[in-house]
Amino acid sequence: SQTIHQWPATLVQPVGSPLSLECTVEGTSNPNLYWYRQAAGRGLQLLFYSVGIGQISSEVPQNLSASRPQDRQFILSSKKLLLSDSGFYLCAWNTVNTEAFFGQGTRLTVV
Amino acid sequence: TQLLEQSPQFLSIQEGENLTVYCNSSSVFSSLQWYRQEPGEGPVLLVTVVTGGEVKKLKRLTFQFGDARKDSSLHITAAQPGDTGLYLCAGVEETSGSRLTFGEGTQLTVNP
Repeated sequence: SQTIHQWPATLVQPVGSPLSLECTVEGTSNPNLYWYRQAAGRGLQLLFYSVGIGQISSEVPQNLSASRPQDRQFILSSKKLLLSDSGFYLCAWNTVNTEAFFGQGTRLTVV
Repeated sequence: TQLLEQSPQFLSIQEGENLTVYCNSSSVFSSLQWYRQEPGEGPVLLVTVVTGGEVKKLKRLTFQFGDARKDSSLHITAAQPGDTGLYLCAGVEETSGSRLTFGEGTQLTVNP
């Protein structure tokens, strides 16, 4: 069966510190991978989208970057966090014929 | 500009009332999905519609895909407090392969 793992679940980081959120998918090959950010009670803002290894589309200019070193691994990073980077981050995957499957999310608080 | 416009953004109703949430776009979608999300969790799929004019029912929820495949609606009959949550529409634009884009969501609160 297909599963998606996202970690950590919560994270408190000081301003200026680096960030690394990891997401891995099991049970499927060549998925589309997504990183979204969500404000409380609001929709999903697409941050990055990837159709394959090393292929990353950045949807909004920001302080974050993404990498896909392996087919089923997607990493969200920052060299120096800003207060405005706080939020709820969701990793997801889909293929051409499937719904989107989401990780449990990471609540990031930058202090 | 949001590719998928959802309305209303917030909705607070009494138990037993009916409601409709709308999802509109100027783009054509090969498929459109509706999700429900609880706080602190990822969205969970409710339904996928793929054919223009398609209507799907899930208990008290009725989903419709517009004839031109540019819009969709979610109608809830006799809402219950357990229906409270964030409802999100998401679509695969016809020209985008399989990339999924989400609307801004409708926060529904059903008061007992």
